[in-house]
Amino acid sequence: DAGVIQSPRHEVTEMGQEVTLRCKPISGHNSLFWYRQTMMRGLELLIYFNNNVPIDDSGMPEDRFSAKMPNASFSTLKIQPSEPRDSAVYFCASIIAGEQETQYFGPGTRLLVL
Amino acid sequence: QKEVEQNSGPLSVPEGAIASLNCTYSDRGSQSFFWYRQYSGKSPELIMFIYSNGDKEDGRFTAQLNKASQYVSLLIRDSQPSDSATYLCAGLYGNKLVFGAGTILRVKS
Repeated sequence: DAGVIQSPRHEVTEMGQEVTLRCKPISGHNSLFWYRQTMMRGLELLIYFNNNVPIDDSGMPEDRFSAKMPNASFSTLKIQPSEPRDSAVYFCASIIAGEQETQYFGPGTRLLVL
Repeated sequence: QKEVEQNSGPLSVPEGAIASLNCTYSDRGSQSFFWYRQYSGKSPELIMFIYSNGDKEDGRFTAQLNKASQYVSLLIRDSQPSDSATYLCAGLYGNKLVFGAGTILRVKS
């Protein structure tokens, strides 16, 4: 298995632009997590899905952030409009539901908003 | 509020020594704890998990959990320069992991 796949790996954009981050979970994993990592706040959970359904989005910082999972093999995290404080590394991770020891992180998307 | 606390370090140990990484948690609601290793510029990778009080050993790694003291630790025996990384402690609350800020470990050859 190729593991969790994320794209793009790097994104540089200007303030106000829309940013879309993509994630393909490991085949057979039915829970997907979006995290954000910064020096100041560490690794934070933004939202997670079970069987493509959003379960907990309490970590989503603002209405500018939205996430979807239209099918078991694809999820997006969108920021619109982007702001400089959104600059961070965004990780996607997937697990077999209830089995945290199966969690694998994707390589991350390094986002810089100018 | 669920918090997981770690000393940010850096913790410096000589090659071959035992590295001891520590973590405390504020909410007894978690019964499971995980240790992740993160190399600079890379994603976190799971190295150990522990559900029960006591010790759990896997190769050079030993995880220790003391629920009464709300304390989790990771021991790395025979530390190698390749162990130099940030180690993240995480508690499982429901279906969510709450991560500590991480401890930077430097193993000097």
